[in-house]
Amino acid sequence: GQQLNQSPQSMFIQEGEDVSMNCTSSSIFNTWLWYKQDPGEGPVLLIALYKAGELTSNGRLTAQFGITRKDSFLNISASIPSDVGIYFCAGGGGSNYKLTFGKGTLLTVNP
Amino acid sequence: DTGVSQDPRHKITKRGQNVTFRCDPISEHNRLYWYRQTLGQGPEFLTYFQNEAQLEKSRLLSDRFSAERPKGSFSTLEIQRTEQGDSAMYLCASSLDRGNEQFFGPGTRLTVL
Repeated sequence: GQQLNQSPQSMFIQEGEDVSMNCTSSSIFNTWLWYKQDPGEGPVLLIALYKAGELTSNGRLTAQFGITRKDSFLNISASIPSDVGIYFCAGGGGSNYKLTFGKGTLLTVNP
Repeated sequence: DTGVSQDPRHKITKRGQNVTFRCDPISEHNRLYWYRQTLGQGPEFLTYFQNEAQLEKSRLLSDRFSAERPKGSFSTLEIQRTEQGDSAMYLCASSLDRGNEQFFGPGTRLTVL
């Protein structure tokens, strides 16, 4: 089964607000990734993190790889309506290269 | 479009029928993965290929499931004697040999009646 705890489960925010979500694990991962999924579509890769402590940005998105390698967070600044969707964290880096996903954070942005 | 493609996008079948899904990965990607996603959950790993070799299968992959990647390019996932519990989104992803950046296709939504 899945090992990642992702929070919050859902968020309702106003356009322009900043958003923060995080993911914790009981296991160490060598890689953390963040994906966004729209209804009926596959997940789209947003950010990949490879080093403990690493802080990486992609436009308005910023993600960090926790020092313990057991957690990661994603921040979205100045949210816009098209940020609506489900955000998934995923841990990877094992010998079989599989990704273990959290249950997702549903983000709703009110214009 | 050079992304991962999957066919069909939707499949409705009756319990007990066999179904087959196809995945075409990004052309230079040697690794190919299958995941299953049910409502309210993240994708769960099923199996992965390094070129044509199937290197790992999850315990989720019962003996009714079989996956192939005969020439190391496209892959097929077959489910025999479908059950209602097989209803889910089946996702394919591909990646390069290095790193863990997996790129997903749009998925095949399976509904078993």
